[in-house]
Amino acid sequence: QVQLQESGPGLVKPSETLSLTCTVSGYSISSGYYWGWIRQPPGKGLEWIGTIYHSGSTYYNPSLKSRVTISVDTSKNQFSLKLSSVTAADTAVYYCARDRPVDYWGQGTLVTVSS
Amino acid sequence: EIVLTQSPGTLSLSPGERATLSCRASQSVSSSYLAWYQQKPGQAPRLLIYGASSRATGIPDRFSGSGSGTDFTLTISRLEPEDFAVYYCQQYGSSFGGGTKVEIK
Repeated sequence: QVQLQESGPGLVKPSETLSLTCTVSGYSISSGYYWGWIRQPPGKGLEWIGTIYHSGSTYYNPSLKSRVTISVDTSKNQFSLKLSSVTAADTAVYYCARDRPVDYWGQGTLVTVSS
Repeated sequence: EIVLTQSPGTLSLSPGERATLSCRASQSVSSSYLAWYQQKPGQAPRLLIYGASSRATGIPDRFSGSGSGTDFTLTISRLEPEDFAVYYCQQYGSSFGGGTKVEIK
């Protein structure tokens, strides 16, 4: 059974960088598939942030591309999200997932941007 | 960038009724890369349909997907109490639609 777990700070100050890690169990990232990040502001819909292939190729939402970096560490079976220059609009539940299509989701982690 | 527009925003129906949800794309989408998800309050979404018409593992056959090009449909043949939720369409590795809430009438 594939399981994903997000980890990282729940509170980030405005203008700083949001960093989250997703640890995958039950499947080796190096074996294949795409892996992605999706977020959901409180009370709103889903927003795709970006996707990384196990080889390291990345695909980003054009509206976030200038601020987003997704990377993979196959030795730890993890992939990570960095979102720079955050504002209150980046407050959301952040999900990591196995992508294309999203068939396995993490439980989600709420990240609040506030001073 | 392809924009997905879902309609209606809210669908008010009774258990046992048929639900028809629409997802319209601003440009043609490969049917192979269109998915539908269900989300209940406080939960992560769940994959229902992939490749526009294939049910994901464990999804009841009352859920069906169809469509091609720019018009896609999710149909729930007979609503069960647990089907009242929000539904999203997505082009793989890209944007989601705004969602349709199916609520109890």
